[in-house]
Amino acid sequence: QKEVEQDPGPLSVPEGAIVSLNCTYSNSAFQYFMWYRQYSRKGPELLMYTYSSGNKEDGRFTAQVDKSSKYISLFIRDSQPSDSATYLCAMSATDGNKLVFGAGTILRVKS
Amino acid sequence: DTAVSQTPKYLVTQMGNDKSIKCEQNLGHDTMYWYKQDSKKFLKIMFSYNNKELIINETVPNRFSPKSPDKAHLNLHINSLELGDSAVYFCASSQNSGEGYTFGSGTRLTVV
Repeated sequence: QKEVEQDPGPLSVPEGAIVSLNCTYSNSAFQYFMWYRQYSRKGPELLMYTYSSGNKEDGRFTAQVDKSSKYISLFIRDSQPSDSATYLCAMSATDGNKLVFGAGTILRVKS
Repeated sequence: DTAVSQTPKYLVTQMGNDKSIKCEQNLGHDTMYWYKQDSKKFLKIMFSYNNKELIINETVPNRFSPKSPDKAHLNLHINSLELGDSAVYFCASSQNSGEGYTFGSGTRLTVV
């Protein structure tokens, strides 16, 4: 079993839809949680990061962490075609420790 | 102005050759990393250096040797390249990993 599980998709939605992306993990020591966006042939770009449990909002993006369920989510409101990319979750146990990535979910937003 | 820059962007080479990829960051970060992304987009850490010292060395063949001449540079040398080494290699840096990494744009290595 991988430490971080993420459905690879692809997930296809119409423009304006609310998108929900999720990851589950097995290592209860993880405390730092991140979401990255990766466009084709580009490097991953940090979207959101949270520490421990709770929610964090930034514009159209909301990140949620539920440590009791070992489950994290990224919500995208009013999705746009420019949101079409691969979304990677990542997490680490301690500050300074390595990031462990999920396999990434391909998102396609159709206009 | 590029924060993390890698060269070359593309590398096509024959099996058995030796090649190097260079990485530089101008963010003042203390820690740098090499990640490998396979054809299924899975990102896996290879090495991490903190202030020129190796701190993470995952299960990577010893044909791969990182070198950090100073904290702003982390290079990757690969000996005796094999077909299975074909992938995209990403360099990244961070000050505190809890706040995430900044990635370079990647080096697409193809071994033929």
